[in-house]
Amino acid sequence: DVKVTQSSRYLVKRTGEKVFLECVQDMDHENMFWYRQDPGLGLRLIYFSYDVKMKEKGDIPEGYSVSREKKERFSLILESASTNQTSMYLCASRNRDRLLTHYGYTFGSGTRLTVV
Amino acid sequence: DAKTTQPPSMDCAEGRAANLPCNHSTISGNEYVYWYRQIHSQGPQYIIHGLKNNETNEMASLIITEDRKSSTLILPHATLRDTAVYYCIVIGLAGTPLVFGKGTRLSVIA
Repeated sequence: DVKVTQSSRYLVKRTGEKVFLECVQDMDHENMFWYRQDPGLGLRLIYFSYDVKMKEKGDIPEGYSVSREKKERFSLILESASTNQTSMYLCASRNRDRLLTHYGYTFGSGTRLTVV
Repeated sequence: DAKTTQPPSMDCAEGRAANLPCNHSTISGNEYVYWYRQIHSQGPQYIIHGLKNNETNEMASLIITEDRKSSTLILPHATLRDTAVYYCIVIGLAGTPLVFGKGTRLSVIA
């Protein structure tokens, strides 16, 4: 089975800190994604990457950046953490079959980040 | 990608079939219907997808109407572990990222 591993399940950081959330997938998927999930707002796309060194802004990129130096790893960076970035962060990767007809996303278990 | 409409919540008795509807009246010819679910405090999990024909796998069945404007996800024998939020998502070949709506919160009751 494809595994998407997020480095921490729970994280507590202070306001103003630089925070790194790491995500690693083990099945050579080209595409990777970062979402955040908040009560009442659902899952919202922050950034995504179609390949190494590529990145695209999602719906809510403000206050975040990403890094994709290797295919298997996609890092989400909070340059200066703020309390409104307290949330559940979910990483996902995606494969496409040879006929380009299947977009199977695999999600990690999530990182619950609290900024105090 | 087409938008979808789902009921906010549904209940189902354990052991009975759970039928979750989804409207996607603006779906275009090359867009697929995908279903994911999210059990509390976990990441979303892929269930099934289809284009035109009905589909079945070990988890569920997907029934798509002939005009493709709506679909139904069927869990044939719901268990308590099927309690989750179920998302119906339409996505095209261009492969744009998944956009999640509010989904349907299914509660399976003993």
